[in-house]
Order: sequence, then structure tokens, then C-alpha cells
Amino acid sequence: KAGVTQTPRYLIKTRGQQVTLSCSPISGHRSVSWYQQTPGQGLQFLFEYFSETQRNKGNFPGRFSGRQFSNSRSEMNVSTLELGDSALYLCASSLGTIIEQYFGPGTRLTVT
Amino acid sequence: KNEVEQSPQNLTAQEGEFITINCSYSVGISALHWLQQHPGGGIVSLFMLSSGKKKHGRLIATINIQEKHSSLHITASHPRDSAVYICAVLAGNQFYFGTGTSLTVIP
Repeated sequence: KAGVTQTPRYLIKTRGQQVTLSCSPISGHRSVSWYQQTPGQGLQFLFEYFSETQRNKGNFPGRFSGRQFSNSRSEMNVSTLELGDSALYLCASSLGTIIEQYFGPGTRLTVT
Repeated sequence: KNEVEQSPQNLTAQEGEFITINCSYSVGISALHWLQQHPGGGIVSLFMLSSGKKKHGRLIATINIQEKHSSLHITASHPRDSAVYICAVLAGNQFYFGTGTSLTVIP
């Protein structure tokens, strides 16, 4: 069974631009969670989608948004990029509850 | 205030040494994970615990719910164990993460 995939793997954007990241969960998994990892803050929870609905949300500004499609694939969007948004963005999928998650390889976003 | 505290932050060991990484948390949890992250970013879940002790190969994880503390032990450490180890607790409907322990095992 294929693992969680994320595209693109690397991305360079300019301050003020917007970006969309994609995550394809393991087949059959209906929950997708997104995380931001930075050297200063470590891993932080962004949000979780289940069956196309946002089920949980972390403490990030509204510039960070996401959605999930009927095939469980998820996208995360960051608008008006700031230098501090430079990070590794990880998604993780699970069957139903998030108690056991499988992580993707991450997308490394650099904002210049 | 961090809900999850890990120690040590950095650890260097000689191959073959016994290693312990500690995790303390301040919130009520339904589960605790130990994650391993290699350079390049990929994260693998090593253990999921809600009580007691689990063992997988040379890795052992324990949790004491009353004391809100967990430990990850690596016996007979090997250079391939070099990675960042992250403690993550599931509280409510989201995960909270420790800042990680960077382990380097020297041959």
C-alpha cells in the first residue's frame, strides 16, 4: 500500500505571494492532519480534515486554510506569505481518529 | 508554556550504549507517541502508548500515566539510530509535540 505523498517537496516563494500544498493520504484513510515544523517552534498542529470537513484547528492565523476533497486528498493554502512561514509542512493521514497517524515526507517551503 | 517537555535536547552516545530520552507532559492525554525523524524530514511513528510498556527490537517505550511521564530507551545503540526523537501527546482532538531530542551515535 502506498504511503502518504506530498507535493511539491520543495518550494520557494516570495513574501506576499500565496501557496498551495497537496497531500494524498494512504488509500482508505479519511482523516488528514497538517503540521508546521520550524527550528524555533518545533512541530505545531495546523488543522485536521475528516470526510471533507474541518474537524479540528490549531492556533494559526486565518491566512492558513485547507480543504479536503471527496477522495480524501487534501490541500493547504497559505495566503500573503511572510518570512516566518518558511517551514517544513507535514501532513499525516489516519483511518478515522487521529490516534494512529502516518506522516508524509513533507513540503519544505522557503519564503524570501 | 509547553504542554510537552523533552530531555535531553541533544545527546551524543558511543555505539553500543544504552540511551534514555524522557518526556513529561502537563495535560490529560488519551495517547502518547514516540516519533523518529531522520534528516530530510520524514517522520515515522515508533510507538503509540496509552499505558504500560512496549518493546520493538532494541527500542522500549514506557509510560506512567499518574506521573505524566514517558521514556524511550534504545539498547545497544547504533549509528543508524541517529535521528531526532519527538514525543507527541494526544490531548482532546489534537497532538502537542515536544521540541525533540537530537541523538547522534558515534561508531
